[in-house]
Amino acid sequence: EIVMTQSPATLSVSPGERATLSCRASQSVSSNLAWYQQKPGQAPRLLIYGASTRATGIPARFSGSGSGTEFTLTISSLQSEDFAVYYCQQYNNWPRWTFGQGTKVEIK
Amino acid sequence: EVQLVESGGGLVKPGGSLRLSCAASGFTFSSYSMNWVRQAPGKGLEWVSSISSSSSYIYYADSVKGRFTISRDNAKNSLYLQMNSLRAEDTAVYYCARVGAAAGLFDYWGQGTLVTVSS
Repeated sequence: EIVMTQSPATLSVSPGERATLSCRASQSVSSNLAWYQQKPGQAPRLLIYGASTRATGIPARFSGSGSGTEFTLTISSLQSEDFAVYYCQQYNNWPRWTFGQGTKVEIK
Repeated sequence: EVQLVESGGGLVKPGGSLRLSCAASGFTFSSYSMNWVRQAPGKGLEWVSSISSSSSYIYYADSVKGRFTISRDNAKNSLYLQMNSLRAEDTAVYYCARVGAAAGLFDYWGQGTLVTVSS
């Protein structure tokens, strides 16, 4: 099983600031990496797939980068609606897809 | 608009059974693989099971293999999860999720249904 490790567990950021979230895979997942956003009481929402492609309707302030084992999600200027938990997920190891434990982005 | 609506959750005793359903609309259900993903209270996401569009390919996480059965009825635009021999550790919100551009990439999710296994 590929283990996905996210850091930090919690990120405190002020509105308007940049947030950088990290995700590391225990072995290479190529670019088969997705990011999801989850708000309290809601289902996850796909943000990024293919490590860097924004899903339909996702604002340009969200960007993803990386390949192999190291990945980053950047939110360029945090808006109030961006405070949430973010999960990375690998879909390279078929069909044993795995998620990271999540990074909570909270208001500083 | 793509919609996935889960139902069937509830409180069940250890060793009991439950059947979850997911009603799909807004897309051609029979063309997409579907999955169940769960989230224990306050925890992260765990993939549970996958079924291909024609039910030809079915996969399970090791944690549920032999106890859970995924199925679908394309005529009814519905996905199911039969859960038997339930354990306390199966307590979670269960989401159905559509597979998008690649296997294992979940582009749309339902709102989830809570399963609580407790005596």
